[in-house]
Amino acid sequence: EPEVTQTPSHQVTQMGQEVILRCVPISNHLYFYWYRQILGQKVEFLVSFYNNEISEKSEIFDDQFSVERPDGSNFTLKIRSTKLEDSAMYFCASGGLGAGNQPQHFGDGTRLSIL
Amino acid sequence: QKEVEQNSGPLSVPEGAIASLNCTYSDRGSQSFFWYRQYSGKSPELIMSIYSNGDKEDGRFTAQLNKASQYVSLLIRDSQPSDSATYLCAVNPDAGNTPLVFGKGTRLSVIA
Repeated sequence: EPEVTQTPSHQVTQMGQEVILRCVPISNHLYFYWYRQILGQKVEFLVSFYNNEISEKSEIFDDQFSVERPDGSNFTLKIRSTKLEDSAMYFCASGGLGAGNQPQHFGDGTRLSIL
Repeated sequence: QKEVEQNSGPLSVPEGAIASLNCTYSDRGSQSFFWYRQYSGKSPELIMSIYSNGDKEDGRFTAQLNKASQYVSLLIRDSQPSDSATYLCAVNPDAGNTPLVFGKGTRLSVIA
């Protein structure tokens, strides 16, 4: 069964450094999302991407965040200057094209630890 | 503010029993409803989707939706220890492939 893949599984970075989290969505999906989950808290939406542009973003997704789809398969989340509070699990999700809201399928996540 | 509320649990049920998980949502116009299972340290795994009022069954799982009461539930029949996980209710508040709003999840423990 097709799946969303994310790399790396765990990233440890010094505060202030840049990180890039990578995702390969399911191949025939057209909607891509980043969510994060701080330990013990709910899954929170960051940004959605469709037709090569951001379609929606949350208040969390400020100027230090950016997303890109550099080629036909990868979807990346960049955090420019990381803060301690960016430590969380980051999940990529993708959804198919169809009538109504298609279910979103999640990757295994990247655990980001900021020191 | 669009909210999804769940009882955090833990909900403990004996093996073989029915587990009943509940969820309420604030936005009356919400369109689509999903249940995800999340094992500790893992990602959300889609187990059910429901779009219209009534029941939807898939194997041991039944999702129930009542839009008038803004209420979604998940029943797990013949609960197994492997069902022990956190169950996340997620809602699409708008039409189209819009972001999901998640509840905090209900932790289910199935006791052998």
